[in-house]
Amino acid sequence: DTAVSQTPKYLVTQMGNDKSIKCEQNLGHDTMYWYKQDSKKFLKIMFSYNNKELIINETVPNRFSPKSPDKAHLNLHINSLELGDSAVYFCASSPYAVGTGHDGDTQYFGPGTRLTVL
Amino acid sequence: RKEVEQDPGPFNVPEGATVAFNCTYSNSASQSFFWYRQDCRKEPKLLMSVYSSGNEDGRFTAQLNRASQYISLLIRDSKLSDSATYLCVVNLRTGTASKLTFGTGTRLQVTL
Repeated sequence: DTAVSQTPKYLVTQMGNDKSIKCEQNLGHDTMYWYKQDSKKFLKIMFSYNNKELIINETVPNRFSPKSPDKAHLNLHINSLELGDSAVYFCASSPYAVGTGHDGDTQYFGPGTRLTVL
Repeated sequence: RKEVEQDPGPFNVPEGATVAFNCTYSNSASQSFFWYRQDCRKEPKLLMSVYSSGNEDGRFTAQLNRASQYISLLIRDSKLSDSATYLCVVNLRTGTASKLTFGTGTRLQVTL
């Protein structure tokens, strides 16, 4: 059973299009995240949701809109795709709760979605 | 200054060698620390947490020096399967989420 899954695995699209990436976790975690890993392999957090509530919103263009229909799902919608959006997008989840320390902070990553904008 | 700095490598070592990776972080308020491993075209996976007292997991030993804001990872008796990128990660708890900041990673290539 896959703990954190993402669809699609690969996404190739034209500039200007709108696309969505879906993420689901079956670990029972309360907190989910989206990360972007660029061509230089630098992994940077974009968003975090806890129980459907937005907690972290880094400096990300507002063309990127996360949506969490329930605590097991966190989707990422991207409008008006640009060449610079080409990257690998990873979803992650953690059991974070106050007082859980390292165990709660540990994040589990999905397999990634490789987005190529032409 | 980057929030988490690592030597990008690559480190090319023969099987059986001992190799050490270092990492420094800039935010003294960081609360927890990790090493993650990322294989080529795969997702990052937790290798081990790093505790102030130092900790060991088989051939892997992690150390943390909060005063110097320095983290290390020692791999003994390297195996071919250890070839990967090792990511130094620091965490700052933000409300009800843990905000992980990743280093750019140190690439290790273990050869015969």
